[in-house]
Amino acid sequence: DVKVTQSSRYLVKRTGEKVFLECVQDMDHENMFWYRQDPGLGLRLIYFSYDVKMKEKGDIPEGYSVSREKKERFSLILESASTNQTSMYLCASSPGTSGRGGTQYFGPGTRLLVL
Amino acid sequence: AQTVTQSQPEMSVQEAETVTLSCTYDTSESNYYLFWYKQPPSRQMILVIRQEAYKQQNATENRFSVNFQKAAKSFSLKISDSQLGDTAMYFCAFMKHGSSNTGKLIFGQGTTLQVKP
Repeated sequence: DVKVTQSSRYLVKRTGEKVFLECVQDMDHENMFWYRQDPGLGLRLIYFSYDVKMKEKGDIPEGYSVSREKKERFSLILESASTNQTSMYLCASSPGTSGRGGTQYFGPGTRLLVL
Repeated sequence: AQTVTQSQPEMSVQEAETVTLSCTYDTSESNYYLFWYKQPPSRQMILVIRQEAYKQQNATENRFSVNFQKAAKSFSLKISDSQLGDTAMYFCAFMKHGSSNTGKLIFGQGTTLQVKP
């Protein structure tokens, strides 16, 4: 089974802190994604990566950056956390074109509270 | 730009009954994928069912089936013989076929389904 893990289930940070959210997948997937989930808005794509050291902006990249130094690991960075970044953050991975038509596999999520 | 709309924020159904969740989407693409994902309370999101737009036959997975109406851009999910474990938030999602090498998904707002005993 595909396993996607995230470093924390719950996180509380102060405004202005630098925050790192880590995601690891064990299925050698090419693609990895970071979403945030907010009530009434569904999931919105922050950034995605289709290869090591490659990244592309999603729909809401402002205030975030990412890092993918190894294929299995994709990190989301909040450079200076703000209260409007309080949310649930979901990581996902998917195989490339040889895989199951883009089916994404999700991690358990990190619920971040910025005070 | 593609959009996905789920117009039912919350639904409920009695155990063993059938329920249908609605989803509409907007796209100018002719080939794409559609998905329903399930997010149980405090648990990971998982794929329920997947439809390829070029296939006319509606996808089915055990008690889950879809009604795919390409011309109407509608993709509803039917859950038969509802079980308590079906209680979850359900998301409809769209992906362009041409972007399948990155797998970028566009999600709807979600529908919270409660199955009552």
